[in-house]
Amino acid sequence: NAGVTQTPKFQVLKTGQSMTLQCAQDMNHNSMYWYRQDPGMGLRLIYYSASEGTTDKGEVPNGYNVSRLNKREFSLRLESAAPSQTSVYFCASSSDRSNSPLHFGNGTRLTVT
Amino acid sequence: KQEVTQIPAALSVPEGENLVLNCSFTDSAIYNLQWFRQDPGKGLTSLLLIQSSQREQTSGRLNASLDKSSGRSTLYIAASQPGDSATYLCAVKDNNNDMRFGAGTRLTVKP
Repeated sequence: NAGVTQTPKFQVLKTGQSMTLQCAQDMNHNSMYWYRQDPGMGLRLIYYSASEGTTDKGEVPNGYNVSRLNKREFSLRLESAAPSQTSVYFCASSSDRSNSPLHFGNGTRLTVT
Repeated sequence: KQEVTQIPAALSVPEGENLVLNCSFTDSAIYNLQWFRQDPGKGLTSLLLIQSSQREQTSGRLNASLDKSSGRSTLYIAASQPGDSATYLCAVKDNNNDMRFGAGTRLTVKP
């Protein structure tokens, strides 16, 4: 029962470097999401994909891009990392966007120096 | 814009105690509300989902209630155990599928 798998678990970047966070789910879910979690704050939505072939901005999309590669995979790219992007990033999926519980991966802890 | 607040930020109780975690939200026009558990270094696990038309949901020792008119939800944990120690987050979804999370309550259950 893999559920939602994120790679890598940890990453350190220098300012200006780029990287892609990978996410895959094996539950045949239609919707996938990327969140960031910062200390003392709730999770904030970066981007989501309601279904294969579609992506939309969330609350904090600036500095990020996403790709819904297929139904299983949803990647998050930082083109030019900034210290403000130091955070824990979570990928999540759900059967549909409205009324299904979210299933989360274990997160990627990213530090930008 | 919906704002979700969880107070207190941290709570410590002795094992066996019944406890209540609070979640308040500013806009009562919600679609559903979820309670999650997060263990250190892990992702969130969905515990209970309450539809806007429901008043409560139960799963084992957990009971979540919803009062839309007052903008409040509570998570009741009966007979707490050390294994219940975790951070509990609530999240509110509106009719536009926009979900807002609270910052969570960190619960410690002492043996």
